[in-house]
Amino acid sequence: QSALTQPASVSGSPGQSITISCTGTSSDVGRYDYVSWYQQHPGKAPKIMIYDVNNRPSGVSSRFSGSKSGNTASLTISGLQTEDEADYYCDSYTSSNTRVFGGGTKLTVL
Amino acid sequence: EVQLLESGGGLVQPGGSLRLSCAASGFTFSSCTMRWIRQAPGKGLEWVSAIRGSGESTYYADSVKGRFTISRDNSKNTVYLEMNSLRADDTAVYYCLCTTMTTGGQGTQVTVSS
Repeated sequence: QSALTQPASVSGSPGQSITISCTGTSSDVGRYDYVSWYQQHPGKAPKIMIYDVNNRPSGVSSRFSGSKSGNTASLTISGLQTEDEADYYCDSYTSSNTRVFGGGTKLTVL
Repeated sequence: EVQLLESGGGLVQPGGSLRLSCAASGFTFSSCTMRWIRQAPGKGLEWVSAIRGSGESTYYADSVKGRFTISRDNSKNTVYLEMNSLRADDTAVYYCLCTTMTTGGQGTQVTVSS
């Protein structure tokens, strides 16, 4: 199973909105609504920010939202804050009954 | 307060075994599909295994299938990862998470080296 494709880096200014894409295939992202997004600050444990494409766990800011179109899922962060600067990973359930991660995207808040 | 606490990591020789534990508190553990993921030094995240709330279904990455076994004890609010035939490329920090919650554990380091 090949890794999902994410941009290596994205950047934005405080207050702006950014979107991180996560491209898979018809065997994973395109087939199932089981995409999660993780946030990881340097040296810290990853946290789930979105599950099942567009669901926010309790305690996650409404500034984080998820969507999917075809084989590509997206994470949008609105009203960027400096504390949003982190690495973001997507993962998806696959037709092999496994999950596959993307390579990660470094978000820089300028 | 939701808490997940991993333990059981350490230094082990190639071919050896370890049993990781993840103790949960602050939420209805039996309702949660639990997931183990790992991160090798300087690398991205890798999904390892998952188990549904009642334990009736388990899932494994191809890289660990046949060597790792996930299980849970809902009476103890704990999920386990039994790791056998460990290899150098299993070296990583291992994290447990509930699939629908943001709080995860702080991880436990597994180092496979002679």
